[in-house]
Amino acid sequence: DTAVSQTPKYLVTQMGNDKSIKCEQNLGHDTMYWYKQDSKKFLKIMFSYNNKELIINETVPNRFSPKSPDKAHLNLHINSLELGDSAVYFCASSRGLAGAYEQYFGPGTRLTVT
Amino acid sequence: AQSVAQPEDQVNVAEGNPLTVKCTYSVSGNPYLFWYVQYPNRGLQFLLKYITGDNLVKGSYGFEAEFNKSQTSFHLKKPSALVSDSALYFCAVNNAGNMLTFGGGTRLMVKP
Repeated sequence: DTAVSQTPKYLVTQMGNDKSIKCEQNLGHDTMYWYKQDSKKFLKIMFSYNNKELIINETVPNRFSPKSPDKAHLNLHINSLELGDSAVYFCASSRGLAGAYEQYFGPGTRLTVT
Repeated sequence: AQSVAQPEDQVNVAEGNPLTVKCTYSVSGNPYLFWYVQYPNRGLQFLLKYITGDNLVKGSYGFEAEFNKSQTSFHLKKPSALVSDSALYFCAVNNAGNMLTFGGGTRLMVKP
């Protein structure tokens, strides 16, 4: 009964490869997010979706392409992986767009690019 | 632009003693302020938030935070620390838009 789940938990791949991370929430929330946490634990938003519509794209390279097939899912596809993409990627969800709603985070996907 | 500062990379406290983790923010308009906790190899967990009303907000696990508008601060507090409180704590701000901005995090170490 995990609220926000991500797969895979760990992802090790070589430069130049393409990979995807999947996220699902069972909270009935309308809004979902992707965050990147770097090696110094700094968290930065990448994308947010509301009802399957892209709301925020925070200067992320276009090698990163989010896709929301329905309100409960937000996947992240990364093309031509680079060393600098190594990080922990967190999916999150919230009840709606309003800034007052707290966000619920998944367990993270640790991506290592070699 | 909105920003959050957590001036201490690490806070050390003895078990049973009170703890404070500091946070200051900069945002235009009225802020929505949050505290999240991250345990090792886990996602962030919501602790508490300030939206409006009483400046002292209470949250999970006995934590509370005080909103101070004049000092633009939102410090996290707990009267008596537990070893199990040891974790990474993030303060975050949103100005009623959709973008949550996080501070750099403060590692709390509670020693027995």
